[in-house]
Amino acid sequence: EAGVAQSPRYKIIEKRQSVAFWCNPISGHATLYWYQQILGQGPKLLIQFQNNGVVDDSQLPKDRFSAERLKGVDSTLKIQPAKLEDSAVYLCASSLEAGAPQHFGDGTRLSIL
Amino acid sequence: AQSVTQLGSHVSVSEGALVLLRCNYSSSVPPYLFWYVQYPNQGLQLLLKYTSAATLVKGINGFEAEFKKSETSFHLTKPSAHMSDAAEYFCAVSANTGFQKLVFGTGTRLLVSP
Repeated sequence: EAGVAQSPRYKIIEKRQSVAFWCNPISGHATLYWYQQILGQGPKLLIQFQNNGVVDDSQLPKDRFSAERLKGVDSTLKIQPAKLEDSAVYLCASSLEAGAPQHFGDGTRLSIL
Repeated sequence: AQSVTQLGSHVSVSEGALVLLRCNYSSSVPPYLFWYVQYPNQGLQLLLKYTSAATLVKGINGFEAEFKKSETSFHLTKPSAHMSDAAEYFCAVSANTGFQKLVFGTGTRLLVSP
């Protein structure tokens, strides 16, 4: 089975610019997650979707971050405007349902200059 | 609320030696516990998980972990390290009900020397 696909793999932008990341989950997976992994730390959940509805976005900085999952399949995560502290790896994961094993993509490494 | 603490940001072993990575958890409800491995420039891969069945959990690549409620621990072990085990290891906890949000520890980098 194809894994979770993410693009781009790397992105370099200047602060105050905007950026978007894309995730294609494993086919049939109802639950999709976006994590932020800052260097030297574990992943932190930003947002969790069940189909195309949000079930947890308590740690998403909503003044600058937004995410959507149209038609309950692909998802995009956007940052506008970016700050230096947003430099991190952004990981997307999916699972058959909430609580099922999560499958991770290889992530997008974001560097803010 | 749930949290995990991983003791030791780096652990070094020789090839063939015992691997022991420590994880202690805190949870206000019965927890599910997980170990994930992350190789450079890759996502996380599930090694094993505890979901309140057997307290000794066997995972992939020869790893296992034991849930000890009295010690609030879930340490990861492997009898004999291979060079290919060098990676970052993350312990994680979730509630056993609801949307089961994963909360990760800060990770332990395992270094394996010849």
